[in-house]
Amino acid sequence: DSGVTQTPKHLITATGQRVTLRCSPRSGDLSVYWYQQSLDQGLQFLIQYYNGEERAKGNILERFSAQQFPDLHSELNLSSLELGDSALYFCASGRGQGAKNIQYFGAGTRLSVL
Amino acid sequence: EDQVTQSPEALRLQEGESSSLNCSYTVSGLRGLFWYRQDPGKGPEFLFTLYSAGEEKEKERLKATLTKKESFLHITAPKPEDSATYLCAVQEDNYGQNFVFGPGTRLSVLP
Repeated sequence: DSGVTQTPKHLITATGQRVTLRCSPRSGDLSVYWYQQSLDQGLQFLIQYYNGEERAKGNILERFSAQQFPDLHSELNLSSLELGDSALYFCASGRGQGAKNIQYFGAGTRLSVL
Repeated sequence: EDQVTQSPEALRLQEGESSSLNCSYTVSGLRGLFWYRQDPGKGPEFLFTLYSAGEEKEKERLKATLTKKESFLHITAPKPEDSATYLCAVQEDNYGQNFVFGPGTRLSVLP
């Protein structure tokens, strides 16, 4: 158990809908990272927050947004969902924000868009 | 252009048959290279981090090494429970805080 909690474990929804994925980082970690993993794309970095502020942005679609709250938990919002958004979404957390920061991953949320 | 490649894509070993996995990277300034293990349907599990050429790290049957352009994950006398996908990730100067993951090597260890 990495100490990173993601909810829900599974999510089934329809195209055009909006969903929210939640992540609670390990105790003491200030950074939260979001990743998307699909069969054909591998693990793709989406976005990083550190202590409530956005720190780095990857290949995140405009339909997706995230935030980190004062208690350090984070939410990833996915809207106007398309079939291609079906994937595993992982959250990771780390102590700091620098280049040597080790990321610890949660168990993921499996999103199925029908 | 791929920044992180891993080979082989898949590897099947007999229990006790040692081998190595490769991670090659083309980045301008390596800050760190990370190895993770991922079981099907689960999140990646951190194994090692290496920061400079010549560095080695060991944990049970696994040993990771780093050169200027690649890293190897050596698996000595593997057991069936070592079956998983092994991912490497690099963190480089131009990409800030985020990792760039390789596609992974799927390892199967047969009893």
